[in-house]
Amino acid sequence: EAQVTQNPRYLITVTGKKLTVTCSQNMNHEYMSWYRQDPGLGLRQIYYSMNVEVTDKGDVPEGYKVSRKEKRNFPLILESPSPNQTSLYFCATAPWDGGNSPLHFGNGTRLTVT
Amino acid sequence: LAKTTQPISMDSYEGQEVNITCSHNNIATNDYITWYQQFPSQGPRFIIQGYKTKVTNEVASLFIPADRKSSTLSLPRVSLSDTAVYYCLVGDRSFQKLVFGTGTRLLVSP
Repeated sequence: EAQVTQNPRYLITVTGKKLTVTCSQNMNHEYMSWYRQDPGLGLRQIYYSMNVEVTDKGDVPEGYKVSRKEKRNFPLILESPSPNQTSLYFCATAPWDGGNSPLHFGNGTRLTVT
Repeated sequence: LAKTTQPISMDSYEGQEVNITCSHNNIATNDYITWYQQFPSQGPRFIIQGYKTKVTNEVASLFIPADRKSSTLSLPRVSLSDTAVYYCLVGDRSFQKLVFGTGTRLLVSP
């Protein structure tokens, strides 16, 4: 079954404690991206990756890092989380076919930073 | 980047047709228009995509006028299970920066 898997689904942490949210896909998609969703602000792109070892900033990259060492994985790293990073995070993937294919989303990770 | 504007919320009743419009005044030549549906505690799910004129699939229709500065998602005969948030996405063929709107919360009542 085609899947985008995020872990964990829920995470509560404290300010400054490094954390990683994982995203894995089994569809051999080239494109992967991270979004955060906040009330009234919709979905905002954090980082995206066009392929292995190729990453770029989205609209709200501050405070986040990513890596793309393998095609199937695209972890989101918060080196020093702060309360304003409390949000719902989604990973999304798509095949590279000229950019027309729709995005496949994971089920989200709800992060709370106290 | 094309910015999109949608109504914040809409109300409807079961069996009615619902039309949700998205404005994207600075849409670029290569941009496609894609609509997603999102239920609580789930990721958005693809509904329909188009470039111009009209596109129809088993769940919705998408109307795009000639100037492409707006688009309308049409849901025929909605049911309670169509209660969700609907997002309009305008993006270029290279899949790079994609800008979602703030979404339209549709509430379908009996």
